Amino acid sequence: AQSVSQHNHHVILSEAASLELGCNYSYGGTVNLFWYVQYPGQHLQLLLKYFSGDPLVKGIKGFEAEFIKSKFSFNLRKPSVQWSDTAEYFCAFEGDNAGNMLTFGGGTRLMVKP
Amino acid sequence: NAGVTQTPKFRVLKTGQSMTLLCAQDMNHEYMYWYRQDPGMGLRLIHYSVGEGTTAKGEVPDGYNVSRLKKQNFLLGLESAAPSQTSVYFCASSYSTSGSPHYEQYFGPGTRLTVT
Repeated sequence: AQSVSQHNHHVILSEAASLELGCNYSYGGTVNLFWYVQYPGQHLQLLLKYFSGDPLVKGIKGFEAEFIKSKFSFNLRKPSVQWSDTAEYFCAFEGDNAGNMLTFGGGTRLMVKP
Repeated sequence: NAGVTQTPKFRVLKTGQSMTLLCAQDMNHEYMYWYRQDPGMGLRLIHYSVGEGTTAKGEVPDGYNVSRLKKQNFLLGLESAAPSQTSVYFCASSYSTSGSPHYEQYFGPGTRLTVT
């Protein structure tokens, strides 16, 4: 079965610390990969996406993610977090047989202390 | 553009009651989805629709029904609510992949449902 694993459920960082959130997917075929963010009280917004090409993708607000096919991973990174990055982050993928259906990970709650 | 909107924002039901959640999008998207979000479990797909008049089951369809009578609307129904259906429900929409492989899903603000 297709699945996404986000290893860190809760992360607490101080401002200016570096961030890396892990995401591993389970699927043998071609994938499209996404990171969504949900700020407190708001709906999900797309942070970045990977469809093909350069495996290092850059998104909004200084976030980036690297697709490592051999590791089935799509980790999210940010060199220096801000208090406003406090949110829940969801990794998701669509397999090439899924027809627009996304499989989401369980989410990682990030709290950034000022 | 309003994007994806959901009605209502909050609702409390008693076990056995029924209700319908409405999702509307003004982006002319072909695909629409209903998810539920539960702590630690991320979003799970309940039902989806690839076009007006068509619906399909997702990962957790039991206890829910849907209808897509108009392209811009996607309704989620609970015929007999159960406490296990207490959750936050999100609607989303996206373009069809036909001829356009690059897309994203756009989400609504969510409906918080409590079943007592």
